[in-house]
Order: sequence, then C-alpha cells, then structure tokens
Amino acid sequence: AQKITQTQPGMFVQEKEAVTLDCTYDTSDPSYGLFWYKQPSSGEMIFLIYQGSYDQQNATEGRYSLNFQKARKSANLVISASQLGDSAMYFCAMSYTGNQFYFGTGTSLTVIP
Amino acid sequence: DTGVSQDPRHKITKRGQNVTFRCDPISEHNRLYWYRQTLGQGPEFLTYFQNEAQLEKSRLLSDRFSAERPKGSFSTLEIQRTEQGDSAMYLCASTNTRQAASYGYTFGSGTRLTVV
Repeated sequence: AQKITQTQPGMFVQEKEAVTLDCTYDTSDPSYGLFWYKQPSSGEMIFLIYQGSYDQQNATEGRYSLNFQKARKSANLVISASQLGDSAMYFCAMSYTGNQFYFGTGTSLTVIP
Repeated sequence: DTGVSQDPRHKITKRGQNVTFRCDPISEHNRLYWYRQTLGQGPEFLTYFQNEAQLEKSRLLSDRFSAERPKGSFSTLEIQRTEQGDSAMYLCASTNTRQAASYGYTFGSGTRLTVV
C-alpha cells in the first residue's frame, strides 16, 4: 500500500529564513512522482513542485526546492527566504500515472514577522 | 481561463437530505477528479473522469455517492441520504493527459459540506 508520512504537524519560521518540511514515502514501484502542494486558508490546493523517481537532480522552482533522497525514500520541501504569504498547510503527495494522488496529512507552516 | 470553479462554496444540510455539487474544470482539460478532505487530513481520492468516462472509483465512494460528467465538460457529485460523516471539503481538480504525471492538477477552492 502506498503511504506518505509527514511527521511535522506544525512548523514556525522567521520571515526571510529557510525552512524544511519533511516527507517520507513508501512504495515498491520504481516509477512514481512526488509533489508538494500548498493549501492556504481559502482551501485551494496550489501545485508547487514535482520530482520524478528517475530524475537525477533535485527539482527547483523559484524559492522552492525538493531534497530528494531516493534510498531513504524522502522528499523534503525546502522553502528559502520565507515570506508571510507562505503561511499555509503544505501537503506532500505521490502519484504513479497521475490518475490518483496519495496525500500526507500535511504540515501547517506559520511565518513569523 | 478562470481556473477550476466549484459551486457552492459552502453547503449546510440536514442529515438524510440529498446534495449536489458542481465542478467546472479548465476548458482544455480532459481529466477531472473529485477528492474529499476531512479536518486535519490530506485529500482522499474519490473518482476521476477522462472526458465523459468515469474510469476509476475509490472504495470511499459508497453507493450513496454518484458522479457524472455528461458531456465531458462540467461534473456533478451527488450525495444521497447524507450522514454526519459526509461532512468534509469536496475538492475538484482537472488536468490533461499530457500534464497529469508531472504537473499535477489544478484544484478548485472546494465545497465545504456540513451535515447537521
């Protein structure tokens, strides 16, 4: 069974500092994709970043980077230079074909001015 | 392109009543998904359509739930004889076949259902 684990229910970070949100996954399939989504209080899930299981380099999208450690089955999200608008829930997710996503329970990030 | 629209944003209903939600995906997206999110949890897959065909349904989708996408455009999710356990945020998402595996979905803002 597929499983995504996010062990940090809540995180705090000072504005302009970097923060790492943890995600581990469990699968025996060699081909999969890992995603991070942001969910602000408005409810909409916003796609942030994608990492394919065969990608050799860690994915980056602006201030977001994904620290992919395949042997450890971890896909941590790093947000650099945190902004107040980064305060939200963050979900790690896994998919095989894009037909279905398996989400973790999320991490609530609060950016402190 | 106005993104994925869901209607209504909020719905309060009495236990035992039927409710229907609507989702309008991004126009060029051929895939449409429904997810349910309860408090403190991540979204859980319910079902998805490719064009008008419903290709997969989760075991979470009991026989009280039905989803349609009659013309391959908008979709409706109906819950019959609602129960308090149905209280959740119902999220709709869309994508196209080419983007699905690596770009994820575009989600709507959801419909929050409260069953009293």
